[in-house]
Amino acid sequence: DTAVSQTPKYLVTQMGNDKSIKCEQNLGHDTMYWYKQDSKKFLKIMFSYNNKELIINETVPNRFSPKSPDKAHLNLHINSLELGDSAVYFCASSQDTGAGYGYTFGSGTRLTVV
Amino acid sequence: SQKIEQNSEALNIQEGKTATLTCNYTNYSPAYLQWYRQDPGRGPVFLLLIRENEKEKRKERLKVTFDTTLKQSLFHITASQPADSATYLCALGGGGNEKLTFGTGTRLTIIP
Repeated sequence: DTAVSQTPKYLVTQMGNDKSIKCEQNLGHDTMYWYKQDSKKFLKIMFSYNNKELIINETVPNRFSPKSPDKAHLNLHINSLELGDSAVYFCASSQDTGAGYGYTFGSGTRLTVV
Repeated sequence: SQKIEQNSEALNIQEGKTATLTCNYTNYSPAYLQWYRQDPGRGPVFLLLIRENEKEKRKERLKVTFDTTLKQSLFHITASQPADSATYLCALGGGGNEKLTFGTGTRLTIIP
């Protein structure tokens, strides 16, 4: 049973399209995250939700909109995709907020915008 | 703003030796420091967490030290094996709603 699963694994789409990435965790964790890993492998936080409430919203373009229907799910919708959005997007979860808990990451969604 | 540097982008170590990776940070006093392993095409995997009031933490062949005066963490893998080859990321943050910020990673290769 995968602890943090995200779909799809690969996403190739044209500029200007709208796409969504889904994430689910079965660990019973209260907090979920979206991280972006760029071509230089730098991992940067985008959003954090705790029990469906938005906790962290980094300086991300408002074309990116996270949604958490319940504490086990965190989806990411991206409007008007741009070339610069190409990256690997990781979903993660932890027991609670803050850095005092290890994070469990999904296997990533490689987004390629052409 | 806070800055995290993992000194070596890549490190090659002979099998059986101890691999030591460095994580330095500035402009910040984290309450927690974590280490992760990332294999190509996979998500990071949590290895160890150390608190600001702890000097050292061990788990099997892994050892982490945390020096809040030097603002540095060292990550050691003893009796290294080719299967330890991966990118290792340090990450730090505080409690409450603080985010976990990652370093740029060190790509470790254990040579048989």
